[in-house]
Amino acid sequence: RKEVEQDPGPFNVPEGATVAFNCTYSNSASQSFFWYRQDCRKEPKLLMSVYSSGNEDGRFTAQLNRASQYISLLIRDSKLSDSATYLCVVTYGGSQGNLIFGKGTKLSVKP
Amino acid sequence: ETGVTQSPTHLIKTRGQQVTLRCSSQSGHNTVSWYQQALGQGPQFIFQYYREEENGRGNFPPRFSGLQFPNYSSELNVNALELDDSALYLCASSLGGTAYYGYTFGSGTRLTVV
Repeated sequence: RKEVEQDPGPFNVPEGATVAFNCTYSNSASQSFFWYRQDCRKEPKLLMSVYSSGNEDGRFTAQLNRASQYISLLIRDSKLSDSATYLCVVTYGGSQGNLIFGKGTKLSVKP
Repeated sequence: ETGVTQSPTHLIKTRGQQVTLRCSSQSGHNTVSWYQQALGQGPQFIFQYYREEENGRGNFPPRFSGLQFPNYSSELNVNALELDDSALYLCASSLGGTAYYGYTFGSGTRLTVV
């Protein structure tokens, strides 16, 4: 079983749609959780950290369920510029803080 | 403040050759991590350097080695290149060797092994 698993995608949605990405992780000792965004042939960039209480940043909402080892990202009112690959990322202390990435889910927002 | 810079941006090597990739960390960052991203996959952790010492290693063979210099810049060396080593190699810098303060990625070196 992979350490971090994501929806395989791709997701093709119209502008204005709401889209949700799901992610599960296998190591219950995981400590930190993130969503990264990666544009085609570019480097990953931090979109947002994910906290147990849930957190929101504009149109983006992230949720963490430690009991189910599940992370989600919700994008509301999607824009053309949201088209990218979304990477679910976890860390745990034994790895000295290195990032464990999921395979990523590609999102294409169409006009 | 300057970001993370990697060189070269693209590279083509022949199977069996050796390659050195370079990374300059973001100003103020003392930790550098290297990742390999194959096409269609998420980045995979190779190793991390903190204050010039290896501080963690992923599931990569010994022919992947690295260095960190006193100015916190870093090199990734790969010996005996194989076709499967073709990938985007990403360098990320951070402060303190943990994810707490966040990682900044460079734009990567795209290595093609033929």
